[in-house]
Amino acid sequence: GDSVTQMEGPVTLSEEAFLTINCTYTATGYPSLFWYVQYPGEGLQLLLKATKADDKGSNKGFEATYRKETTSFHLEKGSVQVSDSAVYFCALSPGTTSGTYKYIFGTGTRLKVLA
Amino acid sequence: ETGVTQSPTHLIKTRGQQVTLRCSSQSGHNTVSWYQQALGQGPQFIFQYYREEENGRGNFPPRFSGLQFPNYSSELNVNALELDDSALYLCASSFGAGAAEAFFGQGTRLTVV
Repeated sequence: GDSVTQMEGPVTLSEEAFLTINCTYTATGYPSLFWYVQYPGEGLQLLLKATKADDKGSNKGFEATYRKETTSFHLEKGSVQVSDSAVYFCALSPGTTSGTYKYIFGTGTRLKVLA
Repeated sequence: ETGVTQSPTHLIKTRGQQVTLRCSSQSGHNTVSWYQQALGQGPQFIFQYYREEENGRGNFPPRFSGLQFPNYSSELNVNALELDDSALYLCASSFGAGAAEAFFGQGTRLTVV
């Protein structure tokens, strides 16, 4: 079945360091791909998305490119801030062939940024 | 425009009891999905409601049931609570069952003792 695999955390970085969180997926068809962020004690917030191969999603300095050939959607940011400390979830949606638009999430990667 | 709101934010129940969680969808949205997020895990899809009908279900037993009302708000009911049901329950709303993006509420933290 469809699945998402994320790099295990926690990831600890110094402020202004470069961030990469790896995400690979397995899916039939043409899924949409997402990154969500969860701050302590809160729900999920959409960070960025890409709906087809070679699309680049970007938001708040974060970027991820939908790579169909490597089935990957790695999250990157050039310079992290303490306020970026959170748990990041990669997710896919298999599409609407079943009529149900559900998300399949990875297990999450905790990011801690030190001042 | 109001976002997705869930109630209550926290609750504690005893094993074997029943619980009802509530979700108000974002204005203009007609689809609600429910997810269970165990501690340290990613959310798992429970089911989706579209125009008051169940429109897909994940790998959860029948004691997890739901409703959607004419105003598109929704309830998640869990009967015969088990310790493993302790989790954060997230509601997500969208416009249309095939929408490319869903918006999540803050969640309800359920603890079963």
